[in-house]
Amino acid sequence: EPEVTQTPSHQVTQMGQEVILRCVPISNHLYFYWYRQILGQKVEFLVSFYNNEISEKSEIFDDQFSVERPDGSNFTLKIRSTKLEDSAMYFCASSASQGVRQPQHFGDGTRLSIL
Amino acid sequence: SQKIEQNSEALNIQEGKTATLTCNYTNYSPAYLQWYRQDPGRGPVFLLLIRENEKEKRKERLKVTFDTTLKQSLFHITASQPADSATYLCALAVYGNNRLAFGKGNQVVVIP
Repeated sequence: EPEVTQTPSHQVTQMGQEVILRCVPISNHLYFYWYRQILGQKVEFLVSFYNNEISEKSEIFDDQFSVERPDGSNFTLKIRSTKLEDSAMYFCASSASQGVRQPQHFGDGTRLSIL
Repeated sequence: SQKIEQNSEALNIQEGKTATLTCNYTNYSPAYLQWYRQDPGRGPVFLLLIRENEKEKRKERLKVTFDTTLKQSLFHITASQPADSATYLCALAVYGNNRLAFGKGNQVVVIP
């Protein structure tokens, strides 16, 4: 069964550094998402992406965050100047059509640790 | 404020019994409600989706109900097995949005 893959599985970064999290969504999916989950907390929506542009973003997704689909397969989340509170699991997801009507398929996440 | 509430206490249940989980929400008018399973260190895995005009949905040993008057969804696992031990997440979606809003999840432990 096709799956969403994320790399790296664990990223350790110094505060203030830039980090790029990578995702390969399921190949025929059109909608892409990033969520994060702080340890022990709920999964929180960050951003959705469709047709090469952001379709929706949360209040968490401020100017330090950006997303890109640099080619036909990858979907990336960049955090420009990391803060301690950015430490979390970051999940990429994709769906065949608008995600609220369809299942969203999640990767196993990147654990981001900011020192 | 908008809230999605799931029981914070783990549900310990004997193998073979039915596990029932509750998802309550306030200040939402969800068009769709989804349930996911999450194992430690893994991403959520989709289980079931139910629409606002549907009362009940089943898939194998799983059943979901959706009561928009009570603002509640119930999630049942019948004939539970140790492999069903996981955290189960309720997620709401409203018309016009792409985001899923998740509850914190409810852990289920099936005791052999």
